Amino acid sequence: EIVMTQSPATLSVSPGERATLSCRASQSVSSNLAWYQQKPGQAPRLLIYGASTRATGIPARFSGSGSGTEFTLTISSLQSEDFAVYYCQQYNNWPLVTFGQGTKLEIK
Amino acid sequence: QLQLQESGPGLVKPSETLSLTCTVSGGSISSSSYYWGWIRQPPGKGLEWIGSIYYSGSTYYNPSLKSRVTISVDTSKNQFSLKLSSVTAADTAVYYCARLSITIFGVVITPFDYWGQGTLVTVSS
Repeated sequence: EIVMTQSPATLSVSPGERATLSCRASQSVSSNLAWYQQKPGQAPRLLIYGASTRATGIPARFSGSGSGTEFTLTISSLQSEDFAVYYCQQYNNWPLVTFGQGTKLEIK
Repeated sequence: QLQLQESGPGLVKPSETLSLTCTVSGGSISSSSYYWGWIRQPPGKGLEWIGSIYYSGSTYYNPSLKSRVTISVDTSKNQFSLKLSSVTAADTAVYYCARLSITIFGVVITPFDYWGQGTLVTVSS
């Protein structure tokens, strides 16, 4: 099983600032990496797939980068609606997919 | 607009079988372009993939749950279902159904891009 490790567990950032979230895979997943945003009481929403491709309707302030085992989600200028929990997911080992444990992005 | 909706009992007794159904509307479950999956999330915890199914009935399961999971599809009703046997309190979670897009060669195009709202299942006597 490919283990996905996200850091930090909690990130405190002020609105308008940049947030950088990390995800590491226990073995290479090429670019088969997705990021999801989840707000309380809601289902996860797909933000990024293919490590760097924004899903439909996702604002340009969200960007993803990386390949192999190291990945980053960057939110360039945090809006109030961006404070949520973010999960990475590998699908290189499809159909066996695995998620990271999540990073909670909170208001500083 | 594609919509997915989970349904089923919100309370299941220990050792019994959890049964949920996902109804797909606004699109066909029989499309060759998609797999359909179940993902769960224990209260306050992260996401765990349970398994996925193709319209033909081809299934894949999380090895950690494989001995207890059955996923099936009913194309006539545009639904797919989850059964999880011998449940314990550790199976208490919000259960989501979701769609994943693939190419004709079975390569993932987009991972879970449409999700149901989720349904909380509590295992308790």
